[in-house]
Amino acid sequence: DAGITQSPRHKVTETGTPVTLRCHQTENHRYMYWYRQDPGHGLRLIHYSYGVKDTDKGEVSDGYSVSRSKTEDFLLTLESATSSQTSVYFCAARGAGESDTQYFGPGTRLTVL
Amino acid sequence: GQNIDQPTEMTATEGAIVQINCTYQTSGFNGLFWYQQHAGEAPTFLSYNVLDGLEEKGRFSSFLSRSKGYSYLLLKELQMKDSASYLCAVIDGSYQLTFGKGTKLSVIP
Repeated sequence: DAGITQSPRHKVTETGTPVTLRCHQTENHRYMYWYRQDPGHGLRLIHYSYGVKDTDKGEVSDGYSVSRSKTEDFLLTLESATSSQTSVYFCAARGAGESDTQYFGPGTRLTVL
Repeated sequence: GQNIDQPTEMTATEGAIVQINCTYQTSGFNGLFWYQQHAGEAPTFLSYNVLDGLEEKGRFSSFLSRSKGYSYLLLKELQMKDSASYLCAVIDGSYQLTFGKGTKLSVIP
């Protein structure tokens, strides 16, 4: 797991509720990522960070925001959860080299009712 | 942008060899990764190719042809525990990995 943890691991919430998912890494990786994984779509990038306070949008960023105030923590926030955001969310981290392996956290299963 | 294609599902017999293909069309290319993902778990790294040719790592090998936009993952001496999804991913110049939708491999006795 390369020292990547996610919390919570499971969450059930209601439509319109704000939700924050946390990713924590212990290897001082520069880059961190949030993906969602849905049947038929594979892994899709939501947002990523290339340093503290440096973030950018990915392929499916609408409805999500992120923050990275420390190297080790990357937060994903759903400001007002919708049923279409029911998914499995994976955090990932990697070093700065092109060949550096990207490691994944264990995932968070989010259900929005 | 990136477009990555791989077969949706494959079935192979225990002890056999299976080849999982991946084709890609990219606006930038800095390498190709293969990941294994068991059901309900996170993806785990298998291999990385940036130069043309074959990289061998135990029972698993990965091949890359940059001119053809083509890679394959070769699994030898299949075991039941190899039943999983295999994800092909391309890294571009902005250090973003774009993933294919994955190939679900079922190994049967």
